Amino acid sequence: EPEVTQTPSHQVTQMGQEVILRCVPISNHLYFYWYRQILGQKVEFLVSFYNNEISEKSEIFDDQFSVERPDGSNFTLKIRSTKLEDSAMYFCASIPTSYRGNYGYTFGSGTRLTVV
Amino acid sequence: TQLLEQSPQFLSIQEGENLTVYCNSSSVFSSLQWYRQEPGEGPVLLVTVVTGGEVKKLKRLTFQFGDARKDSSLHITAAQPGDTGLYLCAGNAGGTSYGKLTFGQGTILTVHP
Repeated sequence: EPEVTQTPSHQVTQMGQEVILRCVPISNHLYFYWYRQILGQKVEFLVSFYNNEISEKSEIFDDQFSVERPDGSNFTLKIRSTKLEDSAMYFCASIPTSYRGNYGYTFGSGTRLTVV
Repeated sequence: TQLLEQSPQFLSIQEGENLTVYCNSSSVFSSLQWYRQEPGEGPVLLVTVVTGGEVKKLKRLTFQFGDARKDSSLHITAAQPGDTGLYLCAGNAGGTSYGKLTFGQGTILTVHP
């Protein structure tokens, strides 16, 4: 069963530091997403990415956040200057292009980000 | 802003009982998905429903999409301790949403032996 792989599984960082969360989506998928889940809260959409550009982003995804696909396999989420409220589980997800919208997503196991 | 209200938030039942989890919205979705999430893991897809009125079965789990595509339910028959976990519904608005999912708040199910 193809998997979405996320690294690291857990990252602790000091407030104000930059972090990069990494994801390797399923190889033949073309739509990529980042979601986050603050402890005890809903899973929230952050950003979608297609054809090497952001296709949609939420209000959460402000100038402190960026995404890129640097080498055709990795998909990264960068937070430039972390805040305490960025502490959450961050999930990467992907779907194949022809299934956009009406089929299920494959999520990674997540990165637990703790900002201290 | 599309919202999905999931109920109940917590459900604690005995093995063998039946249960239903509801997911409601005032918005129309092009599809509704149900996921199960284990602690410290990502959501794992159970089913996607697309057509209004659609019913899908996955062993003892029955999923239904409302006729107006605004609501969905998950029914578990003869629950087992292995069904214990967090169940999430998520809706996709379709159109130009590029696959963005709106999640409900989840139902934590505990099935006691």
